[in-house]
Amino acid sequence: GENVEQHPSTLSVQEGDSAVIKCTYSDSASNYFPWYKQELGKGPQLIIDIRSNVGEKKDQRIAVTLNKTAKHFSLHITETQPEDSAVYFCAAYYLLGRLYFGRGTQLTVWP
Amino acid sequence: DTAVSQTPKYLVTQMGNDKSIKCEQNLGHDTMYWYKQDSKKFLKIMFSYNNKELIINETVPNRFSPKSPDKAHLNLHINSLELGDSAVYFCASSQFGDTIYNEQFFGPGTRLTVL
Repeated sequence: GENVEQHPSTLSVQEGDSAVIKCTYSDSASNYFPWYKQELGKGPQLIIDIRSNVGEKKDQRIAVTLNKTAKHFSLHITETQPEDSAVYFCAAYYLLGRLYFGRGTQLTVWP
Repeated sequence: DTAVSQTPKYLVTQMGNDKSIKCEQNLGHDTMYWYKQDSKKFLKIMFSYNNKELIINETVPNRFSPKSPDKAHLNLHINSLELGDSAVYFCASSQFGDTIYNEQFFGPGTRLTVL
C-alpha cells in the first residue's frame, strides 16, 4: 500500500509569517493529493487538493505544490492568522477510495 | 443541516463489552468509510462500503464488523472491546471513484474509551 511521510510534526509561527508543511509518498500510482485541516474536537475538513497532472494550485492564502518525479508535495500558508491554528494532514489517494494520511502537523500561530 | 453525523459522540465502556457506533449522511453519496484516529492523531482507513457492499477492509480484526443497511447509513459494531481500541472513530462519505478521487466528507467523530 501507500506510505505518506509528513514533516514537521509541530510548527509554531508568528502571525503574518508563512508556514510550510512537506509530504512524500511512496507509490507512483497515487494520483490525487488532498490536504485536510482538523480543528480541536472536529473531523478533518478538505482545504485544498491537487491532481497529479498539475504542479501547483493556489486558493487565496493557501497553495499546494507537487513534484511527481520526486514524489513530494507541500502546503504553503501565507499571512498566517491565529485561526489557522489546527492539525493539518496531507494525504495520497490510491485506489477505490483508499486515502492514506500523513501523521499530521500541529500548526500554532501566535498573535 | 449536518452532512455526516455520528452517534454517540463519546463512548466509555469496559474491556470485553460489545458496542456500536452509528453514522448517517444526507449528502446523497454512495460510498461511506470508517477511519480510526489513534492517540497520536494518526488517521487510518478501516472499511469502505459502496452501495451497501464492502469494498475496502484494511486488515481490521474480525471483532470489528461494519454494517450498511442502506447507502445513507454505515454502522460499526465492535465485539470484545480491548484497551487498544480506544481511539476516535470517524465516519466519512463521498461519491464513488475507482481511479478518480472524490472529496471525502468527515463526521465529527466518536471518542471511544475502553477501561
